[in-house]
Amino acid sequence: GAGVSQSPRYKVAKRGQDVALRCDPISGHVSLFWYQQALGQGPEFLTYFQNEAQLDKSGLPSDRFFAERPEGSVSTLKIQRTQQEDSAVYLCASSLGLAGPDTQYFGPGTRLTVL
Amino acid sequence: SQQGEEDPQALSIQEGENATMNCSYKTSINNLQWYRQNSGRGLVHLILIRSNEREKHSGRLRVTLDTSKKSSSLLITASRAADTASYFCATPHSGGGADGLTFGKGTHLIIQP
Repeated sequence: GAGVSQSPRYKVAKRGQDVALRCDPISGHVSLFWYQQALGQGPEFLTYFQNEAQLDKSGLPSDRFFAERPEGSVSTLKIQRTQQEDSAVYLCASSLGLAGPDTQYFGPGTRLTVL
Repeated sequence: SQQGEEDPQALSIQEGENATMNCSYKTSINNLQWYRQNSGRGLVHLILIRSNEREKHSGRLRVTLDTSKKSSSLLITASRAADTASYFCATPHSGGGADGLTFGKGTHLIIQP
């Protein structure tokens, strides 16, 4: 497919479980972003990769959140010991990585529900 | 934290009317973007305006930017039912280059047939 894909689309976890969310960016896109969107709110920035380098992780809410992109393509967002407040839609976006303002292309998101 | 704040939070208009929504932000920026989100197509980029531009058009969309007031507006002309969605303004999270975005809370637009 031509767009950003994410899996799973829905995830239900019991409080305390670890989860891993996957993002497949558009082929050739250098930059990759993760956002968290709570119900009724706008997306909130979590972290940003340029190729395999994580250049900004200032938005990660706690050390339970970890993201990686080891080969500069697919990325995984891992949440350890999930809490109810982690329930949200997690959006991944990719962009060409141009020097300057860049259009981000978003995936459909993973809706995480923590019981 | 969210830098941009859209106004109004919700807007309902008749099909064919124009819709205007506003965004205010807090810090200096070098560009501002508008995105649309609906259940069918997810979050989609609409238009980007740079800090040295005052107005930009794309089809039925018109965006203005006033850096002195730290505000932007999005006008959708001749609205259609398919325009029903949430609209967000977004500013660079930090540096302004290829960077994460900070979104507002959005304006929920409903187009009545």
